[in-house]
Amino acid sequence: NAGVTQTPKFRVLKTGQSMTLLCAQDMNHEYMYWYRQDPGMGLRLIHYSVGEGTTAKGEVPDGYNVSRLKKQNFLLGLESAAPSQTSVYFCASSQGRGYTFGSGTRLTVV
Amino acid sequence: DAKTTQPTSMDCAEGRAANLPCNHSTISGNEYVYWYRQIHSQGPQYIIHGLKNNETNEMASLIITEDRKSSTLILPHATLRDTAVYYCIVRVEYGGSQGNLIFGKGTKLSVKP
Repeated sequence: NAGVTQTPKFRVLKTGQSMTLLCAQDMNHEYMYWYRQDPGMGLRLIHYSVGEGTTAKGEVPDGYNVSRLKKQNFLLGLESAAPSQTSVYFCASSQGRGYTFGSGTRLTVV
Repeated sequence: DAKTTQPTSMDCAEGRAANLPCNHSTISGNEYVYWYRQIHSQGPQYIIHGLKNNETNEMASLIITEDRKSSTLILPHATLRDTAVYYCIVRVEYGGSQGNLIFGKGTKLSVKP
């Protein structure tokens, strides 16, 4: 039982490049979330999903898109990366109560 | 914005109880108090949650005041591995955006030998 798996774990992008972060959960959870965490700060919610085929904006959605085509996967896309998107990205899933978080993706945009 | 107020940092001696306070004076009747912790850049880890009664599990105890405007997380015998940032969060248990976890800056707990 892997829980929540994020890929990749590390990535360096050049400004303007695009990429997709993948989050996969094997707990059959309905809810999934993408957060970002900048140095010295708490996590901020980017986008979330309350079920397969649904997505919604969180606190800081600008510059990101998401998709939830399958219940177990939640993808976070950066269409044109900017240095301000340098951060650690965490995915989480939930069935209403406690969240289970992945181990994070460290993204650097140069 | 986070609905809770926590001290920025606290120290605790190894083996002693760590008592982490949290103020949530605007909590609604259907909102729970949740505690998570984050150990050095790992993903946050769920600790405990409660509505109005005190709760205990294998990790910690949660004491909620009768008026529900504040709570205390208790780690009964802190170890060096409990050094982490502890987040107190209020949220409804189910239901759309109101059920989202909104993090503040938390309390940095340092357990010292």
